[in-house]
Amino acid sequence: EADIYQTPRYLVIGTGKKITLECSQTMGHDKMYWYQQDPGMELHLIHYSYGVNSTEKGDLSSESTVSRIRTEHFPLTLESARPSHTSQYLCASSEYFPPYEQYFGPGTRLTVT
Amino acid sequence: QKEVEQDPGPLSVPEGAIVSLNCTYSNSAFQYFMWYRQYSRKGPELLMYTYSSGNKEDGRFTAQVDKSSKYISLFIRDSQPSDSATYLCAMSGSPNDMRFGAGTRLTVKP
Repeated sequence: EADIYQTPRYLVIGTGKKITLECSQTMGHDKMYWYQQDPGMELHLIHYSYGVNSTEKGDLSSESTVSRIRTEHFPLTLESARPSHTSQYLCASSEYFPPYEQYFGPGTRLTVT
Repeated sequence: QKEVEQDPGPLSVPEGAIVSLNCTYSNSAFQYFMWYRQYSRKGPELLMYTYSSGNKEDGRFTAQVDKSSKYISLFIRDSQPSDSATYLCAMSGSPNDMRFGAGTRLTVKP
């Protein structure tokens, strides 16, 4: 069973607020990812990290930012939330060796009013 | 054209039916093929993975890869209502190029 945690699970917040979505994993994986997924829609990669102090933007442009100060921790921050940010945010991690399978957290469902 | 194509469904079958879920892909570099199951409002969970062409069985689930046709399948035997979920295929050839299908929503009716 994958040990990857996300908090909060649900968040309803007003426009303009700053939010941080937490993601932690206990598997010692170097690679971590953030995906955005709208209901019934496909996963979109928004950020990834190869390891400590490494962050890259994904395929989908996002106004969020990420940091990787510790191997196990990969938080995502929105400086000023907007209704267009309403979505489910999924964190994942993987090894560097094959088959490179990713393990996902339970997700944070964000609603910006 | 997307690198990975997956029929979004929805697919509805009676309990006990054999389910076939499929994906096609275009990138010949993909060598590792995975299937994930995602229940509503949850994160995807890894079901099984295969390497290169061939079959792999795990209980009621069988994954099949045909690299010559760039086609992968997941078969579910004796489907149960608890199998109702969205199934995503995924594939990779290196740590940096994991690609997911859009997912097929499956409902198994009692």
